[in-house]
This record gives sequence, C-alpha cells and structure tokens, in this order.
Amino acid sequence: AQTVTQSQPEMSVQEAETVTLSCTYDTSESDYYLFWYKQPPSRQMILVIRQEAYKQQNATENRFSVNFQKAAKSFSLKISDSQLGDAAMYFCAYRSEGGANSKLTFGKGITLSVRP
Amino acid sequence: AAGVIQSPRHLIKEKRETATLKCYPIPRHDTVYWYQQGPGQDPQFLISFYEKMQSDKGSIPDRFSAQQFSDYHSELNMSSLELGDSALYFCASSLGLAGVTDTQYFGPGTRLTVL
Repeated sequence: AQTVTQSQPEMSVQEAETVTLSCTYDTSESDYYLFWYKQPPSRQMILVIRQEAYKQQNATENRFSVNFQKAAKSFSLKISDSQLGDAAMYFCAYRSEGGANSKLTFGKGITLSVRP
Repeated sequence: AAGVIQSPRHLIKEKRETATLKCYPIPRHDTVYWYQQGPGQDPQFLISFYEKMQSDKGSIPDRFSAQQFSDYHSELNMSSLELGDSALYFCASSLGLAGVTDTQYFGPGTRLTVL
C-alpha cells in the first residue's frame, strides 16, 4: 500500500516571502500522480497543483511550483510571493496510475500561516 | 463553472439514527468518490463508483452503503450512527478512471454531527 508523509505539522511564512512544504511518499509503482490540495478554514478541498510521475518537468501553476524527485520519492510545494489568502491546511496526495485503484491517499497535512 | 454539489451541508443526528448524504457530480463526470475527514484528520477514502458500478472500496463500515444512479448522482447511506461517525464527508467527481482527466474535484462537504 502507498503511504504519504508530511512530517512538518505547521509552518509560518512572512507575506511576500517564499515557503516550501515537504512531502515524501512510498510506493512500488512506477506510474502514478501526485497532488497538492489546499483546505482553507471553509474546509473546501481545492486542487493546487498536480504532477504526473512520468514527466520529468516540474509542474507550475502561477505562484505555485513543485520539486518532484522521483528517485527520492519526494514532492515538495513551493509557494512564491506568499499572500494572506494562502493561509490554510495543505495536503499532499498520491494516486495510482488509474483503473479501479484511483483513490487519493493523503498525508496528514500541514498548517500554513502567513504573517502580515 | 459548475462544481460538485453536496446536500445537505450540515446534518445533526442522534445515535442509532440513519442519514443519507447526496452528491451531484460536475456535469459529464462519470466517477464519484466518497471521503470521510474526522476532526484534525486527513480525508480517508470510503468508496467510489464509475459508470454506476462500484469501482473501489476503502475503510467503509458495513453500516454504510452507497450507490450511483443513472444520472450519476450518488448517495451515501449511513445506518446505526455512532458518535465516531461525526465528521466531514466529501464527495469528489472526475471524468473517467485514468489519465490526467481523472483529477478529482471536491464538493464543499457535508458536516455530520452525531449526538
């Protein structure tokens, strides 16, 4: 079974600064997908970014980018120019390549606070 | 753009009662997933449906059942409710089971409180 580990329960960043959230995972599969979801106080789960394991290029979405290290099984999220609205719980998630096993397996999450 | 709709948004039940949660996926999405998120926890997968057939099953208690209907909406039925069932229940939908299009989009959740 796949596992996702987010070892930092909390992080804090100054507004306009850059922060990196860490995530590691364990799998024996070669093809899979990785995601970062944001959960603000409203508890809505919002997709931030996704990465296909077969792609060497790191995904980027505006101020959000990832550092995907497949050999190290590491998938960190970098938030640039942090904004107050970035304050939320962030979950790293793993999904198998597809078919019947396409459920998401989440890490425990990290709470990000943004200081004005 | 249309999103996943869940109803009700909040539900309060007594122990041993039953509850039905409903999920309406994004139009054209044919796959529905149910997740349970306890207080301070990460979401845990319960069950999923693809084209009205159960496609995967996680840590769903036998007291719970679910189905997907011909219009692709899904219902999660929970019986003999226990205090430990109090949680946020998410529904997510996707288009298909494989590929990039399988990104799961979450509804706002139903907050169930069992007293």
